[in-house]
Amino acid sequence: EAQVTQNPRYLITVTGKKLTVTCSQNMNHEYMSWYRQDPGLGLRQIYYSMNVEVTDKGDVPEGYKVSRKEKRNFPLILESPSPNQTSLYFCASSLDYGYEQYFGPGTRLTVT
Amino acid sequence: ELKVEQNPLFLSMQEGKNYTIYCNYSTTSDRLYWYRQDPGKSLESLFVLLSNGAVKQEGRLMASLDTKARLSTLHITAAVHDLSATYFCAPLTYKYIFGTGTRLKVLA
Repeated sequence: EAQVTQNPRYLITVTGKKLTVTCSQNMNHEYMSWYRQDPGLGLRQIYYSMNVEVTDKGDVPEGYKVSRKEKRNFPLILESPSPNQTSLYFCASSLDYGYEQYFGPGTRLTVT
Repeated sequence: ELKVEQNPLFLSMQEGKNYTIYCNYSTTSDRLYWYRQDPGKSLESLFVLLSNGAVKQEGRLMASLDTKARLSTLHITAAVHDLSATYFCAPLTYKYIFGTGTRLKVLA
């Protein structure tokens, strides 16, 4: 089944404790992206990757890192999480830039 | 500044009624996506509109795109409860960007 998977689905952590949210797609998509969704603010892009060689900042990259070592994986790293990073996070992929995106199930993160 | 505005933000309607959701965007785009998000769920693609004048229909939903007016509409015909969800438009510009969403509640 073609899909985007994320893990974990739910995470409660404390300020400053490094964490990684994994994202994997099995559709051989070039483009991958991370979004956060907050009430009243819609979806905002954190980072994106056009392909394995190109990764760039989105609209709200502060406090996040990503890597794209393999085509299928695009983990989101929070080196020192803070409470303002409490949010619902979505990973998405598309065949290439400009195509419709396929979203993962989401990761609800709470930082206390 | 690149903006995508959806109207209304919240919509409560009776079953069987018709209504239209509007998506206005501030910069040139010749491609637009509509997504649906059920409560507590992820987003799923509804429509891909690829050019000016494009119209797509599926079931009780019909989407259209006017690139000159920078406007897309999502029309709901004879609403049913199962259509209750949040709908996002996403015009493709130099980046992916989403509207703030329209939360639709269809009352039985």
